[in-house]
Amino acid sequence: DAGVTQSPTHLIKTRGQQVTLRCSPKSGHDTVSWYQQALGQGPQFIFQYYEEEERQRGNFPDRFSGHQFPNYSSELNVNALLLGDSALYLCASSLRQGYGYTFGSGTRLTVV
Amino acid sequence: GQQLNQSPQSMFIQEGEDVSMNCTSSSIFNTWLWYKQEPGEGPVLLIALYKAGELTSNGRLTAQFGITRKDSFLNISASIPSDVGIYFCAGPLLGNTGKLIFGQGTTLQVKP
Repeated sequence: DAGVTQSPTHLIKTRGQQVTLRCSPKSGHDTVSWYQQALGQGPQFIFQYYEEEERQRGNFPDRFSGHQFPNYSSELNVNALLLGDSALYLCASSLRQGYGYTFGSGTRLTVV
Repeated sequence: GQQLNQSPQSMFIQEGEDVSMNCTSSSIFNTWLWYKQEPGEGPVLLIALYKAGELTSNGRLTAQFGITRKDSFLNISASIPSDVGIYFCAGPLLGNTGKLIFGQGTTLQVKP
């Protein structure tokens, strides 16, 4: 039984560029949440998708957007990348918007 | 916004020693969660606590939900090298089941 799958595992982008990260939830889960984890910090909630809609959002600018597809997979898009966007981006899936998360291994984004 | 403060920030102990760490908040939580994160991986749930005063064990790990609902404690008995990692406390905001607030983590290193 596959857990949460994220791609790519590592990514290097230039300041000002745009990036798309992808997530496939654990089998049986219908909700996807995205977290940003800066080095030495705990994860910070970006947003949550359920039934293909953004249901909750953390304190992140509009440059951060997402999408959920009918098969429950999700994308996180970040526009106009800043150096401060460098972080580990974690996807977590759960059932019916709950916090019984299973986390993926993350995508390490480096902005240069 | 709400914050969870973990202490100590890091610990370096000898194999076989017991470990204690805690997490405090200025706000009340109805649920406390303890996660462990190893290098290159996402957080993995260790213990969930749902009731003030609750004491729950998972193998050599024991966690307690503080009676004030503003703190929680995690103890690891007879540490082994595979206990190495970052331990995070987390909790959902009151009235919001989908978004977790994380502490900044306690880094544990175990010397064989």
